[in-house]
Amino acid sequence: KQEVTQIPAALSVPEGENLVLNCSFTDSAIYNLQWFRQDPGKGLTSLLLIQSSQREQTSGRLNASLDKSSGRSTLYIAASQPGDSATYLCAVLLLSRLTFGEGTQLTVNP
Amino acid sequence: DVKVTQSSRYLVKRTGEKVFLECVQDMDHENMFWYRQDPGLGLRLIYFSYDVKMKEKGDIPEGYSVSREKKERFSLILESASTNQTSMYLCASRVQASYGYTFGSGTRLTVV
Repeated sequence: KQEVTQIPAALSVPEGENLVLNCSFTDSAIYNLQWFRQDPGKGLTSLLLIQSSQREQTSGRLNASLDKSSGRSTLYIAASQPGDSATYLCAVLLLSRLTFGEGTQLTVNP
Repeated sequence: DVKVTQSSRYLVKRTGEKVFLECVQDMDHENMFWYRQDPGLGLRLIYFSYDVKMKEKGDIPEGYSVSREKKERFSLILESASTNQTSMYLCASRVQASYGYTFGSGTRLTVV
């Protein structure tokens, strides 16, 4: 059974800092990996999708990498802003099942 | 942009009521999904559908049923609501396998 772990569970940083969120998964035979953002009481917003054949994807200040062989992905956020405060979830797709990590709760302080 | 719309943001229902949660997507996606999200348990798959009139059980289907009569609409039904079904319910869709998921804004259901 696929298990997804996100570290750290919570992170508090000052505005302007670059930061890295980590995601690891136990079964490397994934189709893709998706990073989401969730604001309190809201739904999930897709940030980046990395197919299994890709190594990274970028969107604005966000960069996600994927190392299938080691079962790891990182989400890099450059020049963090208070508006980046949210919970970040990674999810891996395997055998038509999307498995989520527990998330990293990020707080960016002004 | 694909839009997944859940008809209600907040719902309060009484124990024993039949509850319908509606989800509509506007981009002709084949696959649709219902999840519930609870603190400490994360997101769990309730039911999914790969095509019209098709449905498959997810990891926690007990107490729920679904309906997909049209491609764009996927309904989650709580046959007899119970307090342990108080949760955030999230609908999602995707074009087909290996594509990314698009989620709706969620329905916070409270059963009293």
